[in-house]
This record gives sequence, structure tokens and C-alpha cells, in this order.
Amino acid sequence: SQTIHQWPATLVQPVGSPLSLECTVEGTSNPNLYWYRQAAGRGLQLLFYSVGIGQISSEVPQNLSASRPQDRQFILSSKKLLLSDSGFYLCAWKPQVTLSYEQYFGPGTRLTVT
Amino acid sequence: QKEVEQNSGPLSVPEGAIASLNCTYSDRGSQSFFWYRQYSGKSPELIMSIYSNGDKEDGRFTAQLNKASQYVSLLIRDSQPSDSATYLCAVGVLMFSGGYNKLIFGAGTRLAVHP
Repeated sequence: SQTIHQWPATLVQPVGSPLSLECTVEGTSNPNLYWYRQAAGRGLQLLFYSVGIGQISSEVPQNLSASRPQDRQFILSSKKLLLSDSGFYLCAWKPQVTLSYEQYFGPGTRLTVT
Repeated sequence: QKEVEQNSGPLSVPEGAIASLNCTYSDRGSQSFFWYRQYSGKSPELIMSIYSNGDKEDGRFTAQLNKASQYVSLLIRDSQPSDSATYLCAVGVLMFSGGYNKLIFGAGTRLAVHP
């Protein structure tokens, strides 16, 4: 069966500091991968998606970036955090098959920027 | 801009009652619809998917789809306090220009089941 991991689970960072969040998927090959952010009491905002190694697309302009160095690894980064970057960051995967829409979420990382 | 609308709630129902959660969507071409449950502080969990008009039942959960009215609903029978959570409606969208698909999420409806 497939499992998805995220770490760290919780992070408190000062404004202006860098960020690196990691997501890995087990039990599947060549998944589509997604990064979402959920602000307190808000819906899910799609940040990045990836259909393969090195292939990253951004949904919204921001000071975040994403990378996919390996098939089942997805990394979210920032060089300098803003207060508005606080939120619950969720990684999700789905099978590569285009007609499949179901996404499965990791446990998430709760980021507080102070 | 494709949108998914949900009443934010909270929807409060007594234990044992039927909870009815509703969702409308703007993209008439959408074909895939999902309900996720999100407990406080946790990540969303997929609980139902529906693709055809009508009802789909899974245990105490029933998803209903009406494409003509662009309306999706989730019924929870015999509601339990453990059903208290935020329920997110999601609609699948195919992005032809990028050759990929994505989900558009509603903001969620908070359900509170009281004993």
C-alpha cells in the first residue's frame, strides 16, 4: 500500500529565515505530487504540482519554490519567510493516470512564522 | 475562475440524526466529485467519490450528484460525535493546456454532532 510522509510535523521560524519542507511517497512509482497551503479557517490553496522529476509548475506567484529531485520526493522551499507564509502545508499524491483525480494527503506540516 | 462553494457552518446536529452537507460548483464540464473529512489539526482524508448523477452509498455515508443543477451533497446517517469534523467538497478539473488535472476545493463545512 502507498504511504506519504511529511516532515517536520511542526515548525516555528522567524521572519526572513529559510524554509525547507520535505515530502516522500512510498509504494508507488511516478506519482503526481502537489503542495497545498491551508491558512487558519480557510480552504486549500494549490501552490505547486509536479508530474515528474524536475517538472514543477506553480499555481500562484509567491516567495516559495518547489523541487522534485527524485521520483517520490517533493521539497518546498523559501529563501526568506514572510509572516503571511504561516499555515498548514500539505503534500498530496495521486496516480499518474490522467483520468484519475483522487488525491491522498500526507499528515502535513504546521508552520508558524514569528 | 472555477469555484466550489460550501456553507461554512457550523452545522450542528444531535447524535443519531442525519447530517446534510451541500456543495455547488461553477464548472459545468466537471465529471469527478469528492468529499474529504478533516479533523481539527489533521490532514484531509478522502471518504467519498462520485462520478455519475444519482446516489452512491458507502456505510453511513451517501453522496448525491446532480450535474444539471451543479450540486453535490453528502448525507451522514446516524451521526456520531466522532463525525464532528470539517467536510471539504472537491471537484476534479482537467487542465488541457498543461496536460494535468487538479482538484478545486471548497472552504469546507464544519459539522458538530452533539450527544
